[in-house]
Order: sequence, then C-alpha cells, then structure tokens
Amino acid sequence: QKEVEQDPGPLSVPEGAIVSLNCTYSNSAFQYFMWYRQYSRKGPELLMYTYSSGNKEDGRFTAQVDKSSKYISLFIRDSQPSDSATYLCVPKGFGNKLVFGAGTILRVKS
Amino acid sequence: DTAVSQTPKYLVTQMGNDKSIKCEQNLGHDTMYWYKQDSKKFLKIMFSYNNKELIINETVPNRFSPKSPDKAHLNLHINSLELGDSAVYFCASSHNDREYGYTFGSGTRLTVV
Repeated sequence: QKEVEQDPGPLSVPEGAIVSLNCTYSNSAFQYFMWYRQYSRKGPELLMYTYSSGNKEDGRFTAQVDKSSKYISLFIRDSQPSDSATYLCVPKGFGNKLVFGAGTILRVKS
Repeated sequence: DTAVSQTPKYLVTQMGNDKSIKCEQNLGHDTMYWYKQDSKKFLKIMFSYNNKELIINETVPNRFSPKSPDKAHLNLHINSLELGDSAVYFCASSHNDREYGYTFGSGTRLTVV
C-alpha cells in the first residue's frame, strides 16, 4: 500500500466552482499535513499546512484533516483559472522527510 | 533574485556520460535537498544536507553523489548516466531539518538518450 494516495485526475471544473481534492494516507505516525501546489514546469510551492484534525482556512482555501480515518481534503472556493495546477498531498512524520503523493491535476475552465 | 536556483534547466546527454547539476539558495536556509520526480510525477527524496552535513541518504545508486561546499550550495553529480535516470530533479531548501515549508527550485529536466 502506498503511503499517500490521491486520485490523479484530471479534475475539470468551471470557473467559480467549489473544488474538493482528497487524499488518504496509511501511516498513523504522520503528524503534519501539507498541501503543495505545482504549476507545469515549476517546483512545488507550499500552499497550506495543518497539524491537528479539523479545519484550517486561508482565503479561498480550506484544509481538512481527519486523523481517525487518515483522510485529508483541500477545498477551493470560487475557483479561478489560475488555480489550474497539480495539488500534492504531503504528510510528514517526526524527522525531516516529507512524503509526497503523486498529486491531483486540477483544470479550471473560464 | 530567485530564491532557489538550479542550473541547467534542461540537460540532454548520452548514456554513460557524467554530468552535474548545481543548486544555490539565497534564503539563508540551513537545510538543502535533492528530489527526483519520475514520469509518474512522484517526488522522492534522494539526499538532504543540514549545514553541509549529509543527514538523509535514501536508497540511491552510488553513481549519484551530492556535494555541499557550503550551506548555500548543494550540487548533484551523476556518473555513468543510464536511461532510467531521465527525470526532473528538484533542489529544495528549508530553515532547518524539522521544517515542512520547503522552497523548491524550478527543476532540471534530465533526458538520457
């Protein structure tokens, strides 16, 4: 079983839609949960991080973590064409190794 | 003005050659990393250096050798290149080895022919 699993997509939505991106993980030792965004031909950039179960909001983005079911979500409100990218679910345990999922490709059409 | 810069951006080379990729960060970070992104888009860590000291060395062929002359630079040298080495290699840095907010470079696209 892979440590992190994401639906690769692509997920295509119209501009203004609410987007839900999901991720499951297998290692209960993971403590921190990040979402990275990667545009085509660019390196990943940190979008959001959270430590505990529950929700964390930052502008149009909300990260949700459910440690009991090992399920992570990222919601994007009022999606924009500029949100078109690959979204990487990245949990982290103790120590300094990030574990990257393969990512979900999101396409927001204007 | 780029925070983490890698050179070259593209590298096409023949099997058996030796090549180097250079990385520099101007963020004052203590920790630097090399990641490999394969054709399936998985990012896998290869090496990590903290203040010029090797702290992560994943199961990578010993044809790959990192070198950190100072904490702002981390280079990757690859000997006897093979077709399977074709991938995008990303350099990244962070304040320290416990942080999660990595700053990535734009990647070096290596194609071995």
